[in-house]
Amino acid sequence: KQEVTQIPAALSVPEGENLVLNCSFTDSAIYNLQWFRQDPGKGLTSLLLIQSSQREQTSGRLNASLDKSSGRSTLYIAASQPGDSATYLCAFTSGTYKYIFGTGTRLKVLA
Amino acid sequence: NAGVTQTPKFQVLKTGQSMTLQCAQDMNHNSMYWYRQDPGMGLRLIYYSASEGTTDKGEVPNGYNVSRLNKREFSLRLESAAPSQTSVYFCASSPSGGAHEQFFGPGTRLTVL
Repeated sequence: KQEVTQIPAALSVPEGENLVLNCSFTDSAIYNLQWFRQDPGKGLTSLLLIQSSQREQTSGRLNASLDKSSGRSTLYIAASQPGDSATYLCAFTSGTYKYIFGTGTRLKVLA
Repeated sequence: NAGVTQTPKFQVLKTGQSMTLQCAQDMNHNSMYWYRQDPGMGLRLIYYSASEGTTDKGEVPNGYNVSRLNKREFSLRLESAAPSQTSVYFCASSPSGGAHEQFFGPGTRLTVL
């Protein structure tokens, strides 16, 4: 069964820290991987999409990398801010319409 | 651009009642999806529609039906609600399948008593 694991489940950091969120997946035949942000009581907002042929994507202070051989993706957040506090989810697809989601990392950035 | 919209935002049902969750997107996307999100379990795919006129089962389809009314709209129906269907339901769309980003609606919080 395809699975996605996100560690840690929760993380608190002081403002200004650089941090890394981890996502591990079981299927090496990954087609693409997407990182999302979810604020409490809200829907998911797409942050970054990495195609299988790519190794990383960047948007502002966010950088996501993909290592298919080890089954891992990381989301790097530079100079964290209180506004970054949210749950971060990763999801992958093997090329079909079925995305497999992790349970997320709940991030709190302290002012 | 409204993106993906869902109605209602909240709903309380009694066991055995039926209801339809509505979803619409204005991005001219071909593919649409219904997920449920439960604490500690992540999002799970209920049904998806690869393109107008087609629907397929996802991971947890039992107890649900869907209709792809047209390219914009994709509805989810609970024929006889059960407490196990208490969840937050999200609709999403993408230009076409797994090659593209998914865009999500704000969700419907459903409680079945």
